[in-house]
Amino acid sequence: TQLLEQSPQFLSIQEGENLTVYCNSSSVFSSLQWYRQEPGEGPVLLVTVVTGGEVKKLKRLTFQFGDARKDSSLHITAAQPGDTGLYLCAANQGGKLIFGQGTELSVKP
Amino acid sequence: GAVVSQHPSRVICKSGTSVKIECRSLDFQATTMFWYRQFPKQSLMLMATSNEGSKATYEQGVEKDKFLINHASLTLSTLTVTSAHPEDSSFYICSAAASIENEQFFGPGTRLTVL
Repeated sequence: TQLLEQSPQFLSIQEGENLTVYCNSSSVFSSLQWYRQEPGEGPVLLVTVVTGGEVKKLKRLTFQFGDARKDSSLHITAAQPGDTGLYLCAANQGGKLIFGQGTELSVKP
Repeated sequence: GAVVSQHPSRVICKSGTSVKIECRSLDFQATTMFWYRQFPKQSLMLMATSNEGSKATYEQGVEKDKFLINHASLTLSTLTVTSAHPEDSSFYICSAAASIENEQFFGPGTRLTVL
């Protein structure tokens, strides 16, 4: 079983649309991270959420950590082709990063 | 942010040969380095954790004799894929952290293709 369940796994939308990616678990985490990875490159950290109920914004990206610290969401407003990539949530377990399955986002002009 | 490099960025080799991949932390000392493998359209899977000066800890299902990891200095870890086979073709990514509790910084990855 996957510790972190991400959905959807694939998303293809038109430029200007909004989208939400979910990262769910039955476990409680002290923090959760979101990464973005482009083809042929390593993942780049977007944000770390720490407090239950926390909301962080990064330009058109809004990240939320669930009140119970078991789940998180990433919302993108007015998506642009430059947002295309693989979005990964990850949690730290005993010093190791455990990744969700990833969401492959394609934004078409 | 901290910079981690990997070399080579891509390598093509014949089946049966060994390939060494280097991971370097360029502007900080990395007590801990991690090696991940990523197959197409999939997420990152942790292979092993290496601490400077000690033996690596491998995840379940990862053959330690096939994937040799050396972390001889605070800025360099190497992964050697021994007797590589086509099924070892993958994207190998390292990350480095000042300590196991600190943020991991990822390298750009190495694309290995075994013919």
